[in-house]
Amino acid sequence: GQQLNQSPQSMFIQEGEDVSMNCTSSSIFNTWLWYKQDPGEGPVLLIALYKAGELTSNGRLTAQFGITRKDSFLNISASIPSDVGIYFCAGLLAGGTSYGKLTFGQGTILTVHP
Amino acid sequence: GAVVSQHPSWVICKSGTSVKIECRSLDFQATTMFWYRQFPKQSLMLMATSNEGSKATYEQGVEKDKFLINHASLTLSTLTVTSAHPEDSSFYICSASPVGRGNGYTFGSGTRLTVV
Repeated sequence: GQQLNQSPQSMFIQEGEDVSMNCTSSSIFNTWLWYKQDPGEGPVLLIALYKAGELTSNGRLTAQFGITRKDSFLNISASIPSDVGIYFCAGLLAGGTSYGKLTFGQGTILTVHP
Repeated sequence: GAVVSQHPSWVICKSGTSVKIECRSLDFQATTMFWYRQFPKQSLMLMATSNEGSKATYEQGVEKDKFLINHASLTLSTLTVTSAHPEDSSFYICSASPVGRGNGYTFGSGTRLTVV
């Protein structure tokens, strides 16, 4: 089925560094969501984006909804050890038979070294 | 607000038995809930959409007779894995979205199913 291309697949960084990850698709989305998942837990919503071009921050996190509505990025500034986890992008397609269902990226595994 | 509770958080069952997983929206009503399956280090795969008061809709390749879904009220959906086999062992997660609060779907904490 429809899938979002999320990159990078994994990142190993030092504490204090900034992180950037992104998702792209060949389809148009009307909502982009970014989630973080800790081991053995469900995903937790970090940022929701509803309009093309929208730039939203949540503490050290910043995400943008691409102008073409086919991509989004998430930045984490000044990473700390508790940022470790898997980050997923998810989108809601603009229409068609998948309307209302979230499409997920493959995830970015983030490791932060103290 | 927008809390989704999932129970149990983990379960071990014998092959051939059935297991029921509950998903509750604690502080909102949800006419639609979603059930996902996740294998280790992989993304979430949508299994089915649970609709209050009507039949669930299943994604291609998901056996509706094996994964029974019941959405009897606006705050509760259940997933029953029938005649479970070891290959059904996985992490099952539900999600729901409050009506009128946009599309920021909230997820439950997941259920780790191990079939032995």
